[in-house]
Amino acid sequence: EVQLLESGGGLVQPGGSLRLSCAASGFTFSNYAMSWVRQVPGKGLEWLSGVSKTSRNTYYADSVKGRFTISRDNSKNKLYLQMDSLGAEDTAVYFCAKLVAAGVPAAIDSWGQGTLVTVSS
Amino acid sequence: FMLTQPQSVSGSPGETVTISCTRSSGNIASNFVQWFQQRPDSSPTTVIYEGSQRPSGVPDRFSGSIDTSSNSASLTISGLETDDEADYYCQSYDGSTRWIFGGGTKLTV
Repeated sequence: EVQLLESGGGLVQPGGSLRLSCAASGFTFSNYAMSWVRQVPGKGLEWLSGVSKTSRNTYYADSVKGRFTISRDNSKNKLYLQMDSLGAEDTAVYFCAKLVAAGVPAAIDSWGQGTLVTVSS
Repeated sequence: FMLTQPQSVSGSPGETVTISCTRSSGNIASNFVQWFQQRPDSSPTTVIYEGSQRPSGVPDRFSGSIDTSSNSASLTISGLETDDEADYYCQSYDGSTRWIFGGGTKLTV
């Protein structure tokens, strides 16, 4: 069974940084592209970033380009999202997602449970 | 482009409901459409991917289709169950590097 467990969320001040992690299990992590999606509580879904299986290709939404960095460590079965220059508009639940193929774009077939990031002074 | 969904739909147990997702520009058939279910206080789950594929464990009561005449995709849920009550989101791609989500539809059973 695919399991994706996000961690690293919490309260951070405006302008600060945070690094999210996603521990993957139940599948061969190195064979699949991965993504991050966020959701402001009570609002809709927003795609943030995707990375191919080898990290060769990375993609970002305009809203986070230049501030967020996606990465992965296939030896540890982990996906990361480094978030810098955070603002109040980044307050949301962040989901890790497994894609159905090795490259991006591809469909999501599994989601994590999410981790809440709150940006506030 | 944008993907527009109705804010809400409703149906009774056993009935069939359809949720639409209309693409504002460009051809709906040019990129796959996915559908996600999100029950209250839960993370999303995928019910349809690549237009009409169901992940393992998703019952065949869920089906996806596209209608090029209306430039829209649809999620059809037959044999409605109370457990189907959730928010549903469609998603597609703008080119190869940008994902677009619909605003979501609240299904009341």
